[in-house]
Amino acid sequence: AQSVTQPDIHITVSEGASLELRCNYSYGATPYLFWYVQSPGQGLQLLLKYFSGDTLVQGIKGFEAEFKRSQSSFNLRKPSVHWSDAAEYFCAVGARYKLSFGAGTTVTVRA
Amino acid sequence: GAVVSQHPSRVICKSGTSVKIECRSLDFQATTMFWYRQFPKQSLMLMATSNEGSKATYEQGVEKDKFLINHASLTLSTLTVTSAHPEDSSFYICSARGPRDREETQYFGPGTRLLVL
Repeated sequence: AQSVTQPDIHITVSEGASLELRCNYSYGATPYLFWYVQSPGQGLQLLLKYFSGDTLVQGIKGFEAEFKRSQSSFNLRKPSVHWSDAAEYFCAVGARYKLSFGAGTTVTVRA
Repeated sequence: GAVVSQHPSRVICKSGTSVKIECRSLDFQATTMFWYRQFPKQSLMLMATSNEGSKATYEQGVEKDKFLINHASLTLSTLTVTSAHPEDSSFYICSARGPRDREETQYFGPGTRLLVL
């Protein structure tokens, strides 16, 4: 069975600073990997996904993620954070069309 | 494209009543939809997989008689919480398996906040 670990429960970052959210997965085959963002009281919005090919994936809102098979990681990055990026971020691994989510990382942006 | 809606966005009901939540794919056909439950400050827990025209598949520990799922068309799945009790209060989110060229991706609705008094 697949599983996802997001080691950081909460990250605080200054506006304009860079952001990196960690994600490690466990899955026997080549995974489908996703990052979703959730604003308070809202559903999940897809930021980006990796299925195969180029290991550096570009997403919406200026986010990117890098797949590293050797480290079983799929970390999310953004070079310069905006106040509107404050939200909950979920990493997920997909198998047979089902998703398994990490526990999530809460991002707080300070002025 | 791949927009999913949910209705209602928020519902308050009395203990013992039943509540129906609708999940619609607005601009694509979804043969498979998923229902999740999310507790405050926690991740999403998959409750069941809903396939159009067939019975839903429930995850271990989810009461199928409590959470009735119907997927009668390619754009609509419904979740009915029967005889709701305060412990059923939660945030319920649906998702739909993406259109043919994006089948591995799930697209999520905005969620429904259920409060049972």
